[in-house]
Amino acid sequence: IAGITQAPTSQILAAGRRMTLRCTQDMRHNAMYWYRQDLGLGLRLIHYSNTAGTTGKGEVPDGYSVSRANTDDFPLTLASAVPSQTSVYFCASSDEDDTGELFFGEGSRLTVL
Amino acid sequence: GQNIDQPTEMTATEGAIVQINCTYQTSGFNGLFWYQQHAGEAPTFLSYNVLDGLEEKGRFSSFLSRSKGYSYLLLKELQMKDSASYLCAVKDSNYQLIWGAGTKLIIKP
Repeated sequence: IAGITQAPTSQILAAGRRMTLRCTQDMRHNAMYWYRQDLGLGLRLIHYSNTAGTTGKGEVPDGYSVSRANTDDFPLTLASAVPSQTSVYFCASSDEDDTGELFFGEGSRLTVL
Repeated sequence: GQNIDQPTEMTATEGAIVQINCTYQTSGFNGLFWYQQHAGEAPTFLSYNVLDGLEEKGRFSSFLSRSKGYSYLLLKELQMKDSASYLCAVKDSNYQLIWGAGTKLIIKP
């Protein structure tokens, strides 16, 4: 089944540790995104990539980094996790040739203690 | 600043009709999206409006007025499975999506 796969689904992490959230899509979409979702707030864009080899900063990029070595993969790394990074993280992709509808992964729930 | 406003929570009865409003103030406009998100799940696409008017898709319809910075999502013949959060998002002049906080819709029997 085509779509976006995120891993891990859930993770508890000690503050100061490094963590990478994985995201893979098989729809050959050029654009990919990382959002975080916190209670009472809208989805907030962390980083995005319009095409393989390029990345850009979103609304809340501090403490996060991304890479886009190929079309399919878009990992998100927390270099040194802090409790304020406790959130649900969604990876998404879109086909910008159409409406730009986003297709989301199932999310990664991260708790930083 | 850019802002998307929608009610935090709404309650409706199974079989009835409910309208969820969304007002926006953004730097430019390149389309408005509605997504549905069940608790603990990912958002899924419902509708896209870029021109003024009503777009109908089965039991769901979405309306846009660009001059008023206003949209609504209309859900007819409500079913229990429609209990979810409904997210409004606007694509701005830079083609970046600005998201509302979502409206939690509770359906009662």
